[in-house]
Amino acid sequence: DGGITQSPKYLFRKEGQNVTLSCEQNLNHDAMYWYRQDPGQGLRLIYYSQIVNDFQKGDIAEGYSVSREKKESFPLTVTSAQKNPTAFYLCASSIFVIRGVSQPQHFGDGTRLSIL
Amino acid sequence: EDQVTQSPEALRLQEGESSSLNCSYTVSGLRGLFWYRQDPGKGPEFLFTLYSAGEEKEKERLKATLTKKESFLHITAPKPEDSATYLCAVQAKRASNDYKLSFGAGTTVTVRA
Repeated sequence: DGGITQSPKYLFRKEGQNVTLSCEQNLNHDAMYWYRQDPGQGLRLIYYSQIVNDFQKGDIAEGYSVSREKKESFPLTVTSAQKNPTAFYLCASSIFVIRGVSQPQHFGDGTRLSIL
Repeated sequence: EDQVTQSPEALRLQEGESSSLNCSYTVSGLRGLFWYRQDPGKGPEFLFTLYSAGEEKEKERLKATLTKKESFLHITAPKPEDSATYLCAVQAKRASNDYKLSFGAGTTVTVRA
């Protein structure tokens, strides 16, 4: 079955530690996205990538880094510079358009990151 | 800046009691409006895309409609399994390679048996 796999499901970070969240998709989608979800707020875009070896900052990129070395993979690193990393992190992917019609993003089941 | 506001924040319904959720948006040209369903601890699940005012889409007990300023998600005769958070997102017409979404905070629906 095609889909998006995020791992791990739960992650704990110590002070001063960088942690990496995995996102893999087998949908053959060009674009991939990372969002952060906090209670009572809408999803906020961290980084996105439209093509391999290229990515752009979203609205809240500070304290995060990404890479896109393969079409299928878009890992997110939460660095020690991110002072409030506790949140639910969601990865998504999409095709941009089909016959000129904008297509939806499809999501993984998230990683919940907490501070020890 | 694109803005998306969903109301109410929470909705408690009795099984069979129909109701509507609202998504008001402000964008400089709408490319598409997307509805998602999110269960606790899970990622959002795609429901509908609406592209132009007057458009309607249906799926089981859910019906989404679109005007130039808002979208409604109607839940007809809901069942407990319809309990979830419903998210609305808009995609504005910008550069041809800009497909970012702006999300509302969601409406949490609880349906009691």
